[in-house]
Amino acid sequence: DTGVSQNPRHKITKRGQNVTFRCDPISEHNRLYWYRQTLGQGPEFLTYFQNEAQLEKSRLLSDRFSAERPKGSFSTLEIQRTEQGDSAMYLCASRITGGASGELFFGEGSRLTVL
Amino acid sequence: AQTVTQSQPEMSVQEAETVTLSCTYDTSENNYYLFWYKQPPSRQMILVIRQEAYKQQNATENRFSVNFQKAAKSFSLKISDSQLGDTAMYFCAFMKHVADSWGKLQFGAGTQVVVTP
Repeated sequence: DTGVSQNPRHKITKRGQNVTFRCDPISEHNRLYWYRQTLGQGPEFLTYFQNEAQLEKSRLLSDRFSAERPKGSFSTLEIQRTEQGDSAMYLCASRITGGASGELFFGEGSRLTVL
Repeated sequence: AQTVTQSQPEMSVQEAETVTLSCTYDTSENNYYLFWYKQPPSRQMILVIRQEAYKQQNATENRFSVNFQKAAKSFSLKISDSQLGDTAMYFCAFMKHVADSWGKLQFGAGTQVVVTP
């Protein structure tokens, strides 16, 4: 399978714990995006990378959130001191610069439940 | 800021019938893209159809077509000859036509489409 891969698919944690999600994009895609989707809503943009550089962060991304893409391949999204409001599906997507404008290739998401 | 509104939380349609999903948006931009994405249950979201705002001709992809009304800021999706596999959440999305916005989509809340036998 050469699609976007996300792990873990589901994470249940207690409030105050740290969690980390991983995204492996399609191999030749140099742009990688993180979105958050809460119940009953559409995805909301969080941040994106071009290769290893994080080019933009949404104001939705509080100080407790950090994302990295150290070698321009996979990416991690860490949430520190989780809160119940962090419960959501975290979606990763990738694309290649110059590809069909706007088409994103999404992973299946990582669902976070904070108790 | 852009907003995307999908006013139909859920639509039900029988196999082989046609269903139309509505989407309106608000923007001050003149050049932009509009999309419909499909999110099947427990599966990844995939692009259904794309419309460039400067193109007057409505986009079509097999059984999927759009009715793009730029002045009215309306972008509806028509699914013809509905199939069971069309059951999914459908999201309308907006993207500015500027380089640093590629991939930054503004999504609506979604419309759940249920196709029944």
